[in-house]
Amino acid sequence: SAVISQKPSRDICQRGTSLTIQCQVDSQVTMMFWYRQQPGQSLTLIATANQGSEATYESGFVIDKFPISRPNLTFSTLTVSNMSPEDSSIYLCSVDGGPAYTFGSGTRLTVV
Amino acid sequence: AQKVTQAQTEISVVEKEDVTLDCVYETRDTTYYLFWYKQPPSGELVFLIRRNSFDEQNEISGRYSWNFQKSTSSFNFTITASQVVDSAVYFCALSEGGSGTYKYIFGTGTRLKVLA
Repeated sequence: SAVISQKPSRDICQRGTSLTIQCQVDSQVTMMFWYRQQPGQSLTLIATANQGSEATYESGFVIDKFPISRPNLTFSTLTVSNMSPEDSSIYLCSVDGGPAYTFGSGTRLTVV
Repeated sequence: AQKVTQAQTEISVVEKEDVTLDCVYETRDTTYYLFWYKQPPSGELVFLIRRNSFDEQNEISGRYSWNFQKSTSSFNFTITASQVVDSAVYFCALSEGGSGTYKYIFGTGTRLKVLA
């Protein structure tokens, strides 16, 4: 199955700033997915990123707040913009690694 | 609409006890996939099993077993002779569609604590 390298693993950021999270996959994949896991909560899909097209966002998530890039079939970034303490979460990228999604190790974000 | 319910928020057992984690799902599709993932304290999500809607055979993998019952829309997970290393949050997930690899809906997770 695919191996995902996600970074940073954790960060503490000031409110009002932005953080870009990177995911590198060791094989080419069509779709990459970005999830958010708020403290003590389940995983919620933020958006689906296809190479060469704009990401598709789930209800409650907007491109201005969570811009996503997908420049090629092995790489994607998620930016958390204009952060507030409510953005403190674990952010995970995921790909179809067959037979199920493979997840990155996550980025634990704390906004102060 | 799709929904996955894990009613057990937290379970504590003593090592070597058996424990069952419940998962109930809702879907209108006839073709769907169900999954279990483990999230240890380190945070990564570890894939445990995938089951498609046409295969109701139960599965056993070492100390782990899964019971899929379409009649009750349940996909329960049993750990036999639990160990401290089993302590983690366990998520059940549902994916609709023929490929089974798009848009997972996760349950809220069950935190399992295995005490030595």
